[in-house]
Amino acid sequence: DIQMTQAPSSLSASVGDRVTITCRASQAITNYLAWFQQKPGEAPKSLIYAASSLQTGVPSRFSGSGYGTDFTLTISSLQPEDFATYYCQQYNTHPRTFGQGTKLEIK
Amino acid sequence: QVQLQESGPGLVKPSETLSLACTVSGSSISTYYWTWIRQSPGTGLEWIGCIYSTGSTNYNPSLKSRVTISVDTSNNQFSLSLSSVTAADTAVYYCARETYYSDSRGYSGHAFDIWGQGTLVTVSS
Repeated sequence: DIQMTQAPSSLSASVGDRVTITCRASQAITNYLAWFQQKPGEAPKSLIYAASSLQTGVPSRFSGSGYGTDFTLTISSLQPEDFATYYCQQYNTHPRTFGQGTKLEIK
Repeated sequence: QVQLQESGPGLVKPSETLSLACTVSGSSISTYYWTWIRQSPGTGLEWIGCIYSTGSTNYNPSLKSRVTISVDTSNNQFSLSLSSVTAADTAVYYCARETYYSDSRGYSGHAFDIWGQGTLVTVSS
């Protein structure tokens, strides 16, 4: 299985900050990388696919980049509704695997 | 608007079989991959397996001996069966859709886009 490792595990930031979360795959996955946002008690929400393509309706302050094994999710200017847990996921091979999550908290 | 809704018992006894259904509305079940994922505090998000509308399946090797995913195209539903459950199978179970994309950069693939709200299944006697 491909292991997905996110950093940091948690992050404190303020409204308006720019934040970056990283995700590393244990082997190359080209750009078959997705990002999800999950708020407490809710299902994950799809944000990004193909490493950098935004799902319909996702605000443009979210962006993704990367190829191969190293990827990033950037939120350009944090809004109150962005405080949540973020997961990366590879879909290069089965089984699909997820990162352990990054909890983004209000400073 | 596409919606997925999980249904099934919230409590299952150890050694019995967990059975869940996912009803798809607003989308044909054809031409997509349909997936089950679970989430527990101890193991995070775990992909269980998927099925294509033709009935072709892929399962997580860690669960393969106990998992069956099936599709009912006439009722726009797909289902999960997990046998011989233990407390370790206690989790929130989600169904989700994988959609094919092909973008202007020449990349194509199947990615999750829609998730159900999830249903908590507890394994306990």
